[in-house]
Amino acid sequence: AQKITQTQPGMFVQEKEAVTLDCTYDTSDQSYGLFWYKQPSSGEMIFLIYQGSYDEQNATEGRYSLNFQKARKSANLVISASQLGDSAMYFCAMREVTGANNLFFGTGTRLTVIP
Amino acid sequence: GAGVSQSPSNKVTEKGKDVELRCDPISGHTALYWYRQSLGQGLEFLIYFQGNSAPDKSGLPSDRFSAERTGGSVSTLTIQRTQQEDSAVYLCASSLVAYGSYNEQFFGPGTRLTVL
Repeated sequence: AQKITQTQPGMFVQEKEAVTLDCTYDTSDQSYGLFWYKQPSSGEMIFLIYQGSYDEQNATEGRYSLNFQKARKSANLVISASQLGDSAMYFCAMREVTGANNLFFGTGTRLTVIP
Repeated sequence: GAGVSQSPSNKVTEKGKDVELRCDPISGHTALYWYRQSLGQGLEFLIYFQGNSAPDKSGLPSDRFSAERTGGSVSTLTIQRTQQEDSAVYLCASSLVAYGSYNEQFFGPGTRLTVL
């Protein structure tokens, strides 16, 4: 089974509007971390935000917030006040404390911000 | 400070040839990871190193792939007898430690490998 599922291959949002990128995950671990990365066309992976499984508050970083619903195993990324520079691929990833120490990535969502 | 660097940025090779990809992690980072990103796909874990411990090779797709990390710093990913399906971007990442759920990994710019 896929550890990380991103069901939206592509999303469009009007500039200055908010957008939600979906991510669901699958793990039997009690302790894990959830990450969102942005990959612009230049190819680098840029860390955006982190949510720990024991964190009670949703993580926020500037215009990024993570809507963490543990019982539903979802970790959606919300980008507020979209900007043209937000156009990129967005990847959700998870790290389990047990087992290998790598990140499991979803297949990504391509976000396009329309002026 | 310097981030993760990788070389070469682009590599074109012929099927059957061996290639070596290099990664220089952030100074002081004890954990180093290799990932592969095929066109339009997410990242696929290949191998990770933590300090002087034996590497976790669980993600390597075949025995044509190997990696080493010398002196706990620079790492080289070697692909022997390359195949066309090896064409991808190979990304290296490093982190301070590899324990706990919070483990921000800093990525390099990647090496785009094309096998003709």
